[in-house]
Amino acid sequence: DAKTTQPTSMDCAEGRAANLPCNHSTISGNEYVYWYRQIHSQGPQYIIHGLKNNETNEMASLIITEDRKSSTLILPHATLRDTAVYYCIVRTNQAGTALIFGKGTTLSVSS
Amino acid sequence: SQTIHQWPATLVQPVGSPLSLECTVEGTSNPNLYWYRQAAGRGLQLLFYSVGIGQISSEVPQNLSASRPQDRQFILSSKKLLLSDSGFYLCAWSSRRSNYGYTFGSGTRLTVV
Repeated sequence: DAKTTQPTSMDCAEGRAANLPCNHSTISGNEYVYWYRQIHSQGPQYIIHGLKNNETNEMASLIITEDRKSSTLILPHATLRDTAVYYCIVRTNQAGTALIFGKGTTLSVSS
Repeated sequence: SQTIHQWPATLVQPVGSPLSLECTVEGTSNPNLYWYRQAAGRGLQLLFYSVGIGQISSEVPQNLSASRPQDRQFILSSKKLLLSDSGFYLCAWSSRRSNYGYTFGSGTRLTVV
C-alpha cells in the first residue's frame, strides 16, 4: 500500500470547519483513499472513502486533487465529539488486502 | 444488520498465563476478519487477518496466534503472555464481496502483570 503523510496534530474551534490534509504522492491508479477516526479508547470508525471523485456523506466530505496525490477530509461543523485521531489510508479493494494504519492526525476541537 | 462482538472488555493476566480473546460477527457470511493491537501511546498494528475458515495470515512475528474455527468466529491466543503483550486488542470485519469499510469491535484492554 502507498504511504501517506499527515500532520501530527490540528486544532479547530467548535462550529468551524475542520480541514484535515493528507499527502499520498505515490498512490497507484487502483488505490482508494480511506479516512477513519478513532475516539479515545474506542475502535476506529469508518468515515468516507473515494477513488478520484469528491465524495460527501452525512459525516464528512472528501476532496481529492486531480492528480490524486493529496486529499482533504472536511468536517463542515466540528463539535467537541469530533475530537479524535484521524487516519488517512490508501489501499486497493482487492480481496485479502488489509487496512494498514499510520500515525494519523490528532484533531482537538475546543469550545 | 451486521454486528461484531468482542469480549472480554478488560482483562488482567499474569505473565506466563495463556490468553484467548474471541470475536464473532453476526448478520453476514464469509467476512474478512482482522486482529489489531494498539500498545499504549502507539498506533494500530495489524496482527492477523483471515479470508476464510482455517486461513490465517500473520503480519508480524510475535507471541500470539490466531484461529478461525468457524466462518464468523476469530480467536486470538497465546500460550504464555509477556509483559509486552499488554495493549488494546481490536477485532474487525469487512465484506469479502466489496472489501470496502471495516467495522471494528469495541476492543479488549489487556494488561499483563
